[in-house]
Amino acid sequence: DQQVKQNSPSLSVQEGRISILNCDYTNSMFDYFLWYKKYPAEGPTFLISISSIKDKNEDGRFTVFLNKSAKHLSLHIVPSQPGDSAVYFCAASVAGNMLTFGGGTRLMVKP
Amino acid sequence: DAMVIQNPRYQVTQFGKPVTLSCSQTLNHNVMYWYQQKSSQAPKLLFHYYDKDFNNEADTPDNFQSRRPNTSFCFLDIRSPGLGDAAMYLCATSYFGGNQPQHFGDGTRLSIL
Repeated sequence: DQQVKQNSPSLSVQEGRISILNCDYTNSMFDYFLWYKKYPAEGPTFLISISSIKDKNEDGRFTVFLNKSAKHLSLHIVPSQPGDSAVYFCAASVAGNMLTFGGGTRLMVKP
Repeated sequence: DAMVIQNPRYQVTQFGKPVTLSCSQTLNHNVMYWYQQKSSQAPKLLFHYYDKDFNNEADTPDNFQSRRPNTSFCFLDIRSPGLGDAAMYLCATSYFGGNQPQHFGDGTRLSIL
């Protein structure tokens, strides 16, 4: 049973435009959500997180939105840059403990 | 810079020959994790240490063992690697409790001949 799902395996966006990556979860006990970025041959790098008491968290070009009623979160990257091309994983946890990862979305930003 | 370091980056071993992967951290985190990642799948948690307390995931094969001799180091031992164990192995660390992200090393890619 996949508790965290990223239904789009890949996404292609033009440089300068907005990238929107989506993530759905089923466990209503999840209260902390994270996004990681992974380049080939490197480990995942923490990008941004959000607690369930918030519905938005922003850090520079990256914004995460949380819709608890829909059990959905999204990562917005504006403006997208070629260096953002990577695999993005969303993850969720209960009380900040073990992470459950989604299957990842490969983002390609075209110049 | 404080970080999580995994050695080696690439490891080739023979079918059935024991192999050890290592992880060290300078973040002084009290929790260390080992994940297995195959192809483009989600990382799968194998086990974690909270300080010296070892916690095994229910579906982690007995073939996989771990040691944490001190706060900074953690080892993954695969006693008799099979072809299905070829994967990227990721080490991560975090503080326990509260909303703290896990920080990952760059992984060790294990190949089985």
